[in-house]
Amino acid sequence: DVKVTQSSRYLVKRTGEKVFLECVQDMDHENMFWYRQDPGLGLRLIYFSYDVKMKEKGDIPEGYSVSREKKERFSLILESASTNQTSMYLCASIRGGGLAGYNEQFFGPGTRLTVL
Amino acid sequence: AQSVTQLDSHVSVSEGTPVLLRCNYSSSYSPSLFWYVQHPNKGLQLLLKYTSAATLVKGINGFEAEFKKSETSFHLTKPSAHMSDAAEYFCVVSYYTGTASKLTFGTGTRLQVTL
Repeated sequence: DVKVTQSSRYLVKRTGEKVFLECVQDMDHENMFWYRQDPGLGLRLIYFSYDVKMKEKGDIPEGYSVSREKKERFSLILESASTNQTSMYLCASIRGGGLAGYNEQFFGPGTRLTVL
Repeated sequence: AQSVTQLDSHVSVSEGTPVLLRCNYSSSYSPSLFWYVQHPNKGLQLLLKYTSAATLVKGINGFEAEFKKSETSFHLTKPSAHMSDAAEYFCVVSYYTGTASKLTFGTGTRLQVTL
C-alpha cells in the first residue's frame, strides 16, 4: 500500500511565525503536491515538485515556499504565517512519467493549521 | 485551461434511492477525469477514473460514471444509496504540464443520506 504521511494532524501557530509542514511518501513517486482545502472551494494547488530540487508554482503560491531535498520528502513552508492561511493542508504523490495523467494521486491525511 | 464544475454543492437522498452527482468539465484536449471521495476526518480516496477507454466507468462501492463528450459531462451515479456513502465528493480533471500531471478539483458535492 502506498503511504503518504504528514508530520502533524493539527497545528496552531501565531501570526508571523515560520511554519514547516512535512510530507513523506514511501512509494518512490516522482511527483509530489501540496494543496489547501477550504469549504466551498475544493482543493487548490499551492506547489508541486516533479523531481528532487525541482518545483513549480500551482494556482495559489503566494505566501508559501517548498523544499524537496530528497525524493520521498516534500516540505511546505509558510515564511510568515497569516490568519488567512488557516486551512487544511493536504499532501499528495503520484507516479510520474508521460502517462502520469492516468495515474491515481495518493493523499495524506491532512494537517489542519490554525493561525491565531 | 482545464476546469470542472460540480453543479450541486449539496445533495440529499434517502437510503435505498439513486444517487446522481453532476460534473461538467472543460478541457482543450481529451481529458483524464476522476471522482474522489472524502469521508469525515479521513483522507481522499479514488472512486473511479476515466482515461479514454470505456466511456462507462465502474468504481468502488457500486459507483459508476459515464463520460459524455458531447455534453462535456462526467456524472457520478449509484443505483441505491447507503448510509456509509455520506461524504464529500470531488470531480477532478488531470492535465499534463510538460513536467508533471496536475489535478484541478471541483468545489465538491456534499452527499447526505437520510433514513
